[in-house]
Amino acid sequence: GAGVSQTPSNKVTEKGKYVELRCDPISGHTALYWYRQSLGQGPEFLIYFQGTGAADDSGLPNDRFFAVRPEGSVSTLKIQRTERGDSAVYLCASSPVAGGPQETQYFGPGTRLLVL
Amino acid sequence: GDSVTQMEGPVTLSEEAFLTINCTYTATGYPSLFWYVQYPGEGLQLLLKATKADDKGSNKGFEATYRKETTSFHLEKGSVQVSDSAVYFCALPYSGGSNYKLTFGKGTLLTVNP
Repeated sequence: GAGVSQTPSNKVTEKGKYVELRCDPISGHTALYWYRQSLGQGPEFLIYFQGTGAADDSGLPNDRFFAVRPEGSVSTLKIQRTERGDSAVYLCASSPVAGGPQETQYFGPGTRLLVL
Repeated sequence: GDSVTQMEGPVTLSEEAFLTINCTYTATGYPSLFWYVQYPGEGLQLLLKATKADDKGSNKGFEATYRKETTSFHLEKGSVQVSDSAVYFCALPYSGGSNYKLTFGKGTLLTVNP
């Protein structure tokens, strides 16, 4: 079956602009996660959705970052007033049920964001 | 806090060589442990996992044993192939109520030459 998909695969924008990154999780997965991977680093947690609600947004770096999942499926990560330091690969993952320590998270290919 | 320390790369091997990538962790209790792999141009994929101490995870010829005494989860493969060239990440869930969050090591780039 289809895996997690993310669009766009690459996004180049200018400092100060607004961007939206989209994630389509595996059908039927209720848990969805966003991570950010900077060059040479492992992914870092941003936000976790259980259904439509953000159960934990403690990893969002500041209030320029926001994510939604209005119907409990597709999610959009929104970044306002982008800064060069936002350049990274943004990864989305999903898992079948409520996130837990034994749950396998299935990752998408990521969106590579470059802020000029 | 919970953390993962991975052997720094890059690692370059010849085909059929033995591979070890070290991973140690700091955590409260005995969390599940994971190895993820990222092939060139692709997303992270779960390679193997172990959910309790002394468990051995295995997949595609790779193995890792959960050793609580040494808080380690080293990845091994007896004979690597060119197709194993990728970045490997060790990961564990946060302890306590945030165990849906994964914390990752920095990754180890493996290049296997023919």
